[in-house]
Amino acid sequence: DGGITQSPKYLFRKEGQNVTLSCEQNLNHDAMYWYRQDPGQGLRLIYYSQIVNDFQKGDIAEGYSVSREKKESFPLTVTSAQKNPTAFYLCASSIGGRDREAFFGQGTRLTVV
Amino acid sequence: GQQVMQIPQYQHVQEGEDFTTYCNSSTTLSNIQWYKQRPGGHPVFLIQLVKSGEVKKQKRLTFQFGEAKKNSSLHITATQTTDVGTYFCARPSGSARQLTFGSGTQLTVLP
Repeated sequence: DGGITQSPKYLFRKEGQNVTLSCEQNLNHDAMYWYRQDPGQGLRLIYYSQIVNDFQKGDIAEGYSVSREKKESFPLTVTSAQKNPTAFYLCASSIGGRDREAFFGQGTRLTVV
Repeated sequence: GQQVMQIPQYQHVQEGEDFTTYCNSSTTLSNIQWYKQRPGGHPVFLIQLVKSGEVKKQKRLTFQFGEAKKNSSLHITATQTTDVGTYFCARPSGSARQLTFGSGTQLTVLP
């Protein structure tokens, strides 16, 4: 089955620790995205990548980093510089470049204590 | 990114009542997409509207794109408990056409 996989579903970390969220897709999509969702709020774009080895900051990139070494993978690192990291993180992919729909992973709920 | 305003933020309806959510932009949209997110779930694509004045239907859901391509609406006729969730509109923006989402309308259907 084609799809986009995020792991883990729930993640707990201590304050001050970096944590990396995994996102893998086998849809052969060029574009991949990371969004953050807070309770009762919409999706805010953290980072996006249109092609391998290239990515751009979204609206709320501070305290986050990404890499895109493979077409299938777009991991997100939440660094200790992110002041309020507890949130629901959603990874998405799309064909890219043609305003096609985005396919989302199941999300990772990160709690920092 | 360029914002889309979505109203209302919350809506509670009795099962069987209709529901509408609206999405507004200050600039002309090339297209608009609609997504549904069930409680605890992830957004799932519903539809894309491209043409001025376009109306599309999916069973009890009716999607409209304004004549000026600055607003859009989603109307659900005779809501059911399965309609519960948050409905988002989204627009492409920026040089990479990345999606900017509205704040969503959270629909609660009371049995």
